Amino acid sequence: EVQLVESGGGLVKPGRSLRLSCTASGFTFGDYAMSWFRQAPGKGLEWVGFIRSKTNGGTTEYAASVKGRFTISRDDSKSIAYLQMSSLKTEDTAVYYCTRARGMATIRFDYWGQGTLVTVSS
Amino acid sequence: DIQMTQSPSSLSASVGDRVTITCRASQSISSYLNWYQQKPGKAPNLLIYAASSLQSGVPSRFSGSGSGTDFTLTISSLQPEDFATYYCQQSYSTPQYTFGQGTKLEIK
Repeated sequence: EVQLVESGGGLVKPGRSLRLSCTASGFTFGDYAMSWFRQAPGKGLEWVGFIRSKTNGGTTEYAASVKGRFTISRDDSKSIAYLQMSSLKTEDTAVYYCTRARGMATIRFDYWGQGTLVTVSS
Repeated sequence: DIQMTQSPSSLSASVGDRVTITCRASQSISSYLNWYQQKPGKAPNLLIYAASSLQSGVPSRFSGSGSGTDFTLTISSLQPEDFATYYCQQSYSTPQYTFGQGTKLEIK
């Protein structure tokens, strides 16, 4: 059974950093791209960033709203994806979801973690 | 960026009803369109990918259609567990995966 479990969320002050982890199981983690999304309280879904599999270069992409502040990485030996968030702003407050990306041309996000809440507040 | 617009934003329906939700893209996205269902306090769940392909494990009462700029999600006979918020998402402009604003489906 495919499972994604996020951890590391919590309350953090503006300007500080936080690292989220996504621990995967039930599939060959290294074969898949992984992506992070977020959802502010009462709002819709927003794509945050993406990391390709090592086979496809392991490169990353980011939404304009987080580029330069957030970094996605992966440790295939541990089946973990990370989201390093720095210079946090109050508008980064959201539930953060880790997802598995499937497909090449018609990419879709077929498994999601349960989410972890990040609250940025002084 | 490609903008995705869903209609309606909210919808009231009864168990057994046939329901259609529409998603329009600001430019052609071919068939690069996914649909998700989200229940309160839960993560989204993939229903339909590539506009019309049913994700494994999803009931056959869900179907998707469309290409280019106009897409629909149809639930043929609403069940109590279908009351949720539905989102469309484009995967044409990779990796800027934009979503519609959501359609909240409520019990009449």
